[in-house]
Amino acid sequence: EDQVTQSPEALRLQEGESSSLNCSYTVSGLRGLFWYRQDPGKGPEFLFTLYSAGEEKEKERLKATLTKKESFLHITAPKPEDSATYLCAVAGGSEKLVFGKGTKLTVNP
Amino acid sequence: NAGVTQTPKFRVLKTGQSMTLLCAQDMNHEYMYWYRQDPGMGLRLIHYSVGEGTTAKGEVPDGYNVSRLKKQNFLLGLESAAPSQTSVYFCASSWDTYNEQFFGPGTRLTVL
Repeated sequence: EDQVTQSPEALRLQEGESSSLNCSYTVSGLRGLFWYRQDPGKGPEFLFTLYSAGEEKEKERLKATLTKKESFLHITAPKPEDSATYLCAVAGGSEKLVFGKGTKLTVNP
Repeated sequence: NAGVTQTPKFRVLKTGQSMTLLCAQDMNHEYMYWYRQDPGMGLRLIHYSVGEGTTAKGEVPDGYNVSRLKKQNFLLGLESAAPSQTSVYFCASSWDTYNEQFFGPGTRLTVL
């Protein structure tokens, strides 16, 4: 059974304090790993897709990386507007995505 | 493009009442999904569809039914609502499993 575990559950940072969020996964044949951002009261918003180990993608202050067992979402010099819950999901051999429970990020000014 | 829209945004039901949630997408996506999101539980798949006229069960299908009569619409029905179905419901669509899913804004349902 495909599984996704995200850590930490919650993370508080000061503005400008860089850090990383972790997504560990077990899947039979990874077909894609997805990162989403979710703001309170809204639906998840797509950020990145990673398909193979070693792949990296960047968008503004965010950088996602992938190994054979986990993915990291690196946040460089975060700003308060980066505060959100970040969700990780994997696509394996089935027709469904499996989501982690998310990491709630709070960036204080 | 509106993307994925959901109707209604909020609803309060009494136990035993029925209702239908409507999801519409204008991206010509084949795949559509219904999720529920509860505190501490993350997103859980209720039902999904891989094309017009098809439906399949997800992780938590009990108490729900779905229909996909038109490619752009995916309906989620609750025949006899229970307090355990109090949740936020999200619809999503995608080209296939291996491409990103686009989510709607959600429906907040309370069952008293």
